[in-house]
Amino acid sequence: GEDVEQSLFLSVREGDSSVINCTYTDSSSTYLYWYKQEPGAGLQLLTYIFSNMDMKQDQRLTVLLNKKDKHLSLRIADTQTGDSAIYFCARTLYSSASKIIFGSGTRLSIRP
Amino acid sequence: NAGVTQTPKFQVLKTGQSMTLQCAQDMNHNSMYWYRQDPGMGLRLIYYSASEGTTDKGEVPNGYNVSRLNKREFSLRLESAAPSQTSVYFCASRGQNTEAFFGQGTRLTVV
Repeated sequence: GEDVEQSLFLSVREGDSSVINCTYTDSSSTYLYWYKQEPGAGLQLLTYIFSNMDMKQDQRLTVLLNKKDKHLSLRIADTQTGDSAIYFCARTLYSSASKIIFGSGTRLSIRP
Repeated sequence: NAGVTQTPKFQVLKTGQSMTLQCAQDMNHNSMYWYRQDPGMGLRLIYYSASEGTTDKGEVPNGYNVSRLNKREFSLRLESAAPSQTSVYFCASRGQNTEAFFGQGTRLTVV
């Protein structure tokens, strides 16, 4: 995707925490999103953060935003087999609030 | 609520054929989008429509046209399909300051 980068794969052990990272180049984002895609399905929103926030927590999910480094992360605590999916980072552009740009997605696999 | 509905779910085309992918949303959203998803490439924006009556090019518009027929519907047309357009296509819609809601996708194969 346009200037949103993610690593393609992550493997974690069941019960451990997963941390999925995303970097972007344009600092003028408004909203930053994490979406989850299960095999053969569409995308579902997991959580989002507004660009003036540093952190957001929602049950097992924690989003951290480092605006200085243009770095966004998603931490999944106590990772379960049902968390296996592709996770997409996405952002809207300040210059065009309607335009949503996605990263390439990180495939999370869980090992026993 | 149905949310975002795409048709068809699957399609096989021969090179050079044309077709239109349909998308409708029932959430009264202003913005609608068409993305294509290819392995290792994530979702790439083809076209989007910020409001009824407007459309704008995304990252990969070549070979596609769109129509925002009304507030509910946003169609994507391939005039002359090419094998490079084999992909999974997703439609999405978004209201003011909300997340985007996605359809279930159309898996298109061009042979």
